[in-house]
Amino acid sequence: KNEVEQSPQNLTAQEGEFITINCSYSVGISALHWLQQHPGGGIVSLFMLSSGKKKHGRLIATINIQEKHSSLHITASHPRDSAVYICAVRSKFMSQVGGGSEKLVFGKGTKLTVNP
Amino acid sequence: EAQVTQNPRYLITVTGKKLTVTCSQNMNHEYMSWYRQDPGLGLRQIYYSMNVEVTDKGDVPEGYKVSRKEKRNFPLILESPSPNQTSLYFCASSLSQRDVTDTQYFGPGTRLTVL
Repeated sequence: KNEVEQSPQNLTAQEGEFITINCSYSVGISALHWLQQHPGGGIVSLFMLSSGKKKHGRLIATINIQEKHSSLHITASHPRDSAVYICAVRSKFMSQVGGGSEKLVFGKGTKLTVNP
Repeated sequence: EAQVTQNPRYLITVTGKKLTVTCSQNMNHEYMSWYRQDPGLGLRQIYYSMNVEVTDKGDVPEGYKVSRKEKRNFPLILESPSPNQTSLYFCASSLSQRDVTDTQYFGPGTRLTVL
């Protein structure tokens, strides 16, 4: 079982619809990232959360630490929101060279297509 | 402009021909990392560096080397590339990896094909 699971894998919506992408994880984390990967390949960090909720424009991200679950919502979706959305968690591990460290563990992504 | 740059962006090469993918950041970040992205597998960490001269293996380090002689640069070296290293590679950096408020900045990606 992957440490970070996203659902759905693929999502097609009509312009204006409310979108929800889910992320569940099975490891202890210090923070969770939502990333957006454009069709050209570039990756942009949308949010980093350690608790509660964050909002940026039409994007809202929530996290429930007890349930090990996060959601990314897009309100009034638009074709330019079409991208792959990736959930990544910051997980602690013991580095061979510097004691404790953290690394990102990624979900496989959700491909969102918003049709006009 | 704050950014992470990678070169080359696209590379087609042949098995066994040594190559280097460069990565540079202008944000004075301590932490840098290399990832590869493959269909159905997502992003996986190859190597990372917590600071100058401090590097360590990630989840898939076989066939790769890195160095961190200067803070801004973190090249990825493939001494003898093989077709299973055909992938999309990303370099990323953050101020440090010990502060939970750090954001990761990603380079534009390098698409490598090994024939």
